[in-house]
Amino acid sequence: AQTVTQSQPEMSVQEAETVTLSCTYDTSESDYYLFWYKQPPSRQMILVIRQEAYKQQNATENRFSVNFQKAAKSFSLKISDSQLGDAAMYFCAYLPNFGNEKLTFGTGTRLTIIP
Amino acid sequence: GAVVSQHPSWVICKSGTSVKIECRSLDFQATTMFWYRQFPKQSLMLMATSNEGSKATYEQGVEKDKFLINHASLTLSTLTVTSAHPEDSSFYICSTPPSRSGSAYNEQFFGPGTRLTVL
Repeated sequence: AQTVTQSQPEMSVQEAETVTLSCTYDTSESDYYLFWYKQPPSRQMILVIRQEAYKQQNATENRFSVNFQKAAKSFSLKISDSQLGDAAMYFCAYLPNFGNEKLTFGTGTRLTIIP
Repeated sequence: GAVVSQHPSWVICKSGTSVKIECRSLDFQATTMFWYRQFPKQSLMLMATSNEGSKATYEQGVEKDKFLINHASLTLSTLTVTSAHPEDSSFYICSTPPSRSGSAYNEQFFGPGTRLTVL
């Protein structure tokens, strides 16, 4: 079974600074997707960024980028120029490319932005 | 992108009563919906998958008689918490499953959630 681990229950960062959230996962599959979801106080789940495992290039979405290390099964999220609106719970998630279409979520990291 | 709505957004009920939560796909047809439960400060746990025209499939450990799921149409899935108790208080979220078109992946869309408080 796949597992997703987020070892940082809470993180904080000064506004405009950069922060990195960690995620590791365990799978025997070679083809899969990885995601970072944001859950702000409204609790609406918002997709931040997606990475296909077969792509070596790290995904980037504006101020959000990932460091995908397939061999190490690591998938960290870097948020640059942190803004107050980035304050939220961040969940790392895994999805196999075939068969089971169910996301496996990590336990989450609560990110606080310090003004 | 696809929009998923939930109703109500917040419900308070007395212990022993039943509560129905609706999940609607607003601009597309959904043959499948996922139902998640989220306790405070915890992650999302998949409870069950509703399937239009057939029975829902439940994850291990989820009581089928407690959490009744019905996929009445291609735009409506419902979760009924029967004989609710305080321990059923939680945040319930529905979502579309991810979909694939060849090698491309299509995003999974989440409803805004329903907060259930059982007194």
